[in-house]
Amino acid sequence: QVQLQESGPGLVKPSQTLSLTCTVSGDSISSGVHYWSWIRQHPEKGLEWIGYIYYSGFTYYNPSLRSRVTISVDTSKNQFFLKLTSVTAADTALYYCARRGGIGWSFDYWGQGTLVTVSS
Amino acid sequence: QSALTQPASVSGSPGQSITISCTGSSSDVGGQNYVSWYQQHPGKAPQLMIYDVSNRPSGVSNRFSGSKSGNTASLTISGLQSEDEADYYCSSYTTSSTHVVFGGGTKLTVL
Repeated sequence: QVQLQESGPGLVKPSQTLSLTCTVSGDSISSGVHYWSWIRQHPEKGLEWIGYIYYSGFTYYNPSLRSRVTISVDTSKNQFFLKLTSVTAADTALYYCARRGGIGWSFDYWGQGTLVTVSS
Repeated sequence: QSALTQPASVSGSPGQSITISCTGSSSDVGGQNYVSWYQQHPGKAPQLMIYDVSNRPSGVSNRFSGSKSGNTASLTISGLQSEDEADYYCSSYTTSSTHVVFGGGTKLTVL
């Protein structure tokens, strides 16, 4: 059973860096079959894809966030990470990590999500 | 404003069928066969219901079906049940630099 679990601070001050970890179990990031993504959901609003990483370290980011986002991976720990710099209240959202199929663009497994609030 | 357009809400009675539309452009829905649908219950993560326009993942009821015509994709739920009440989101690969776009979501109410 594939499971993803987000972790990290639930409160971040404006202008600081949001850092989250996604721990994967039941699948190996280093298998090279899937891509590993971050997606966020603003309160009472829709979904926004942030970016993805491949086991090799190859990344692709949503152009709207590219200047502030870094996604990295640690295959030895089967984890991948999100860093979002210079956060503002507009970055307050529920952050999900998800697995994207190697072929196609669907997200078949999601973490339960972690709420990050940007506030002083 | 979301890249894909969905109705804000739809409703139906138990046993009925409903269809949720998802309208995009030739850069996404119309030009690609990578449309997905997700179900999200309150406080829960989205769950994949349909991928690649019309395929169901293992474990998803065959009451859920997907289709596409031109720039509009559709999710049909037949034999509505109370547990189908949830928010539904479509997504698509896009040839734009964004790569993935989502709809704004549709709230399904089972009357």
